[in-house]
Amino acid sequence: DTAVSQTPKYLVTQMGNDKSIKCEQNLGHDTMYWYKQDSKKFLKIMFSYNNKELIINETVPNRFSPKSPDKAHLNLHINSLELGDSAVYFCASSQNVRLAGADRRETQYFGPGTRLLVL
Amino acid sequence: DQQVKQNSPSLSVQEGRISILNCDYTNSMFDYFLWYKKYPAEGPTFLISISSIKDKNEDGRFTVFLNKSAKHLSLHIVPSQPGDSAVYFCAATLHGSARQLTFGSGTQLTVLP
Repeated sequence: DTAVSQTPKYLVTQMGNDKSIKCEQNLGHDTMYWYKQDSKKFLKIMFSYNNKELIINETVPNRFSPKSPDKAHLNLHINSLELGDSAVYFCASSQNVRLAGADRRETQYFGPGTRLLVL
Repeated sequence: DQQVKQNSPSLSVQEGRISILNCDYTNSMFDYFLWYKKYPAEGPTFLISISSIKDKNEDGRFTVFLNKSAKHLSLHIVPSQPGDSAVYFCAATLHGSARQLTFGSGTQLTVLP
């Protein structure tokens, strides 16, 4: 009963290939995210979808295309893979919680990560 | 431009003692801070958070302190246990952008038995 799951866990591929990483959450959350953890270990947000709608789109090459078929799934498709795409990619989800006044706080729950190695 | 910095990549502490993990930030617009814990081959898991209207938040063995004037927060774990050995990430969000987490680079905590 994994809350946020990703497939595959490991992905080794050649430069120039196209690959997809899938993410599913069974928490009933409205928002899903993709993060990239680079070689310096920083976790950086790439995209976020709320109810299947793109709400965050950081400066990411357009070779990366997220797709959300429904609010429980957010897949990441990468075209023409490059060596620099090698990283760990984490999916996450969260639920909007409205607190007093206009304050909103959302705890993000992460998947186990997909380790991508481009050769 | 690292807006959230964890300057100690690693920390070793004896079991039973206090672990203090530090985090500095540069953006004064950050108003909510979180600590995540990460074991190898797993995703980060939420540990504790603090709003900028507070200077301390406690949850069991974990306490987070926020010093807004110094733009500094710290996570105290007492007593430390071997199971606490993990990478700890500090993260921050801007007011009105609760979903956009900015992470530090993490500190590897090792608790020695």
